[in-house]
Order: sequence, then C-alpha cells, then structure tokens
Amino acid sequence: GAGVSQTPSNKVTEKGKYVELRCDPISGHTALYWYRQSLGQGPEFLIYFQGTGAADDSGLPNDRFFAVRPEGSVSTLKIQRTERGDSAVYLCASSSWGRGEKLFFGSGTQLSVL
Amino acid sequence: AQKITQTQPGMFVQEKEAVTLDCTYDTSDQSYGLFWYKQPSSGEMIFLIYQGSYDEQNATEGRYSLNFQKARKSANLVISASQLGDSAMYFCAMREMNYGGSQGNLIFGKGTKLSVKP
Repeated sequence: GAGVSQTPSNKVTEKGKYVELRCDPISGHTALYWYRQSLGQGPEFLIYFQGTGAADDSGLPNDRFFAVRPEGSVSTLKIQRTERGDSAVYLCASSSWGRGEKLFFGSGTQLSVL
Repeated sequence: AQKITQTQPGMFVQEKEAVTLDCTYDTSDQSYGLFWYKQPSSGEMIFLIYQGSYDEQNATEGRYSLNFQKARKSANLVISASQLGDSAMYFCAMREMNYGGSQGNLIFGKGTKLSVKP
C-alpha cells in the first residue's frame, strides 16, 4: 500500500479482555515503531523493530503488552487483561534505515477500554 | 529526565504572520536528528522538517524553517506566512544514535497547539 495502514481504526473492549492491533508498514521499510498517544500528550514510545527483531522494547509499560513482527513486515501489538488506563490512540510508524529517515505514521487505532 | 521540552502549550498567530514554536532537547550523543511533526485534528502525524546534528545550515522546507542552535540545544520551528490550515498540534522530536551506531526511536515532546486567527 501507499502508506502505513492500521486496523482497526477503533476498538472498544471491556476491562480484562485481550486485544490485538495490526500495523501494515510501507513496503520495504525495515524499521517499525509502536507509539501510544493519550489525549493532549505527545506520542509515547512503546517498541521498535528492525526487521523481525525488537531492537528496543524499553517503552512497553508492563508484561501485559507484547508485539511481534514475524516476517519483518506486518506487526501486531497485543494487550492482555486490558485496563481502563490502556485507553489511548495507538500509532504505528515505519521508516527506512538511517538516522535522518523520517517516520511515516498510520492513522492510529483508538482503543477504548470500558 | 525529559529529553524534549516544548514550553508553549498553546500559541496564537495572525494569518499571514510568522510564528516560532520553541523546542529544547537534552542529549549527550554527538550524533542525533531533530524532527518536527504536525498533527491536525484528524489525528495523522505529518512530517514537516528534519535537522541533523552535524548539518551546518538550518533546514528549510517551504514555509518551514528550523532555527538550530546546537550550543543551546534548541531547535525552534519557524512558520512563515501562517495560513488557517496551519492550525494544529506541533511536535518536536529527537532521534539519538544508539550505542553501536544503530538508530534509536523517536522521542517526542508534549506538543504546542497553534491556532491561526483570520
């Protein structure tokens, strides 16, 4: 596709449930990032993949959060036992290799935990 | 410690005037990149401009320019000839080089909400 695609665009779930958020990056981009953005705040880093491996997962808040990118393209962010505080927009971005390479962002998934 | 500081939660500017959005950063790396993104109310993050730490000249992209003062660790965004469509959140961000030379993740500030008045 032409841009970064995230599905679903909106997800409403109940406290305690499991959710999966999908990101389809720009074709050929080796780097993929997950961010979380709460209302009125800047995006907060969660995890960064270079190829299939997580190069930096220091932003994951706890062990309920996990992300995979098994074939080096599509990535899935998985949240177990969701809590109301997990409600936020989850943004995915991809980029080519390089320090100056800009990140291209998807439109995000609005997660609401009731 | 906060690595990117944007001290202006909100700014107003008259249409057709210039505006400066402030950004200071904190890093001990010699090699890093600085970015500005725009986020309209629709939510998408739009890349505006990039400045590398070794770039000697300030970056410019159309009406956007980055006033890079390395010694002060500041990377202010200047928007010239403001337009109504410039009303949005603006985020400053930094990417450091990790140990070993790999690129790091992008760290964002809290943003500045710019409102352009007709």
